[in-house]
This record gives sequence, C-alpha cells and structure tokens, in this order.
Amino acid sequence: AQKITQTQPGMFVQEKEAVTLDCTYDTSDPSYGLFWYKQPSSGEMIFLIYQGSYDQQNATEGRYSLNFQKARKSANLVISASQLGDSAMYFCAMRDHNYGQNFVFGPGTRLSVLP
Amino acid sequence: DTAVSQTPKYLVTQMGNDKSIKCEQNLGHDTMYWYKQDSKKFLKIMFSYNNKELIINETVPNRFSPKSPDKAHLNLHINSLELGDSAVYFCASSQRLAENTGELFFGEGSRLTVL
Repeated sequence: AQKITQTQPGMFVQEKEAVTLDCTYDTSDPSYGLFWYKQPSSGEMIFLIYQGSYDQQNATEGRYSLNFQKARKSANLVISASQLGDSAMYFCAMRDHNYGQNFVFGPGTRLSVLP
Repeated sequence: DTAVSQTPKYLVTQMGNDKSIKCEQNLGHDTMYWYKQDSKKFLKIMFSYNNKELIINETVPNRFSPKSPDKAHLNLHINSLELGDSAVYFCASSQRLAENTGELFFGEGSRLTVL
C-alpha cells in the first residue's frame, strides 16, 4: 500500500532562514509523482511543487525546491529565505498507478516562522 | 473564475439530519475527488470519479453517497449525520495523465459541524 511519512509534526524557523520539511514515501510503482501543498490558517490548499519519478533534476519553484533522493524514497521540501507568510501546514502527497492515480497525503508538518 | 467551487462553505446541523455539498470544476478535468480533513488535519480520500464513473470508494459509511451527473460536477450527500462526521470536506479535480503528473486542484472546503 502507498504510504507517505512526514516525521516532523511541527517545525520552527527564523525569518529569512532556510528550512527543510521531510517526506518519505513508499510505493512499488516505478512511475509516480510527488507533490507538496501548503495549507495556511485560512484553510485553502495551495499547490507548491511537483517532482516526477523519472525527472533527473530536482524541481524548483521560486523559493521552493524539492530535494529528491529516489534511492532513499525521500522528497524533502526546502523553503529558502523564510517569510512570515510561510507559516502554515505543509503536506507531502504522492500519485501513482497502484491506486487509480489517487493522491495519498502525509500527515503534514506545521511550520511556524518566527520574526 | 473559480476553478473548483464547492457550496456551501459552512454547514451547521443537528445529528440525524441529511445534508448535501455541491462541487463544480471548470478546468475540463476528467477526475474528481472528495477528501475529508479531520480535526488533526489528516486528509483522507473518500471517493474518486473519472468521467462520471466511480473509481475509488474508500471505507466510508454508506450514509455518504456521491453523485456525478457529469464530469464537471461531483456532489456529496450525507444521510443521518453523526457527530463524527464533523470535518472539512474538500472537493478536488485533476487530469488523469500517463506519467502521474497533473496536480490536484482543491475547492475551498466545506466545514461541516454536527451538533
């Protein structure tokens, strides 16, 4: 069965510092996609970044980058130059063929950015 | 234009009542989903429809019945509401792609409170 693990229930980071949010996954499908979503206190789900299992390079989107280590089955999100507005829940998710291309989510990490 | 819209945003109701949540997407996606987010923020798939056909039906009480009149709409009807049904329900859509690309687009969520 698919599984996403996020071992950090909560993280603190100082404003303007970088922070890494951990995500490990488990799948037997060689083709899969990994996604990160942000959920601020207002409740909406915001897509941040995508990494495909066959992508050779780590994905980047502005201040977000994904540290993809396929052999270790990890897809950590790196946020550079943290801002107060980055305070939110962050969810790692995976999509593969094993489950009808459904998206399975990890339990989330609550990030708090300190001024 | 809102890509995925769901109504109502808030429902407060008594135990035993029946309620419906409507969802519409204007992205032309062929797959729609219902997710439940509990008080601990865990996101769990409930149903997935592809072109009006039920693809995924997780272990959800049969008091929950999805209906997809066309591929742009996926409604959720809940009978005989229980206290444990209190949660935020997210509608979402995506495009089914061969390489598991295509992120999930979420609605704003519907917060259901059962008294």
